[in-house]
Amino acid sequence: AQKITQTQPGMFVQEKEAVTLDCTYDTSDQSYGLFWYKQPSSGEMIFLIYQGSYDEQNATEGRYSLNFQKARKSANLVISASQLGDSAMYFCAMRERLRAAGNKLTFGGGTRVLVKP
Amino acid sequence: DAGITQSPRYKITETGRQVTLMCHQTWSHSYMFWYRQDLGHGLRLIYYSAAADITDKGEVPDGYVVSRSKTENFPLTLESATRSQTSVYFCASSESNYDQLDTQYFGPGTRLTVL
Repeated sequence: AQKITQTQPGMFVQEKEAVTLDCTYDTSDQSYGLFWYKQPSSGEMIFLIYQGSYDEQNATEGRYSLNFQKARKSANLVISASQLGDSAMYFCAMRERLRAAGNKLTFGGGTRVLVKP
Repeated sequence: DAGITQSPRYKITETGRQVTLMCHQTWSHSYMFWYRQDLGHGLRLIYYSAAADITDKGEVPDGYVVSRSKTENFPLTLESATRSQTSVYFCASSESNYDQLDTQYFGPGTRLTVL
């Protein structure tokens, strides 16, 4: 069974500063994918960034980057130059193969980020 | 341009009633998923579908039924709603099963309250 752990239930960050959200995972699969989603107060789930287990370079997407340390089984999200609109819940998730040749995401418990002006 | 939509967005029902939540996607994605999100938890998979007429159970399937007669629609039915099914329900879809193509995109969610 796979497991995703986000140890920070909530955190404050000053506007324009960088923030790192922790995510560790546990899997015996060799091939897997790691995702980060943002859920603002409006409730929708917004895809932010993806990292494949075989990707050698850390993924980046605008102000988001994923600090992937495979040996430590961690996939931390870094948000640079925080903005007020970054205040939201952030979920780390891992792709897992399913029986019907599909895939599913196993989610962590989330980290709530509040950006202070 | 709609992407993935869910209806209704909010629903209040009573214990024992049947409720159907609708999910529609315009991308022709093969894979579709239903998740529920409860306070203090991440999302948990209820059912998923790899193609029309191919569905399978996820982590928490009890009390739910799905069907997928058309690629674009994936309705979720609560046959006899219970208070424990009060939750926010998310539908998601993905194009494929490999690498970045299997990024799941989520609908806006349906907030269901069972009294």
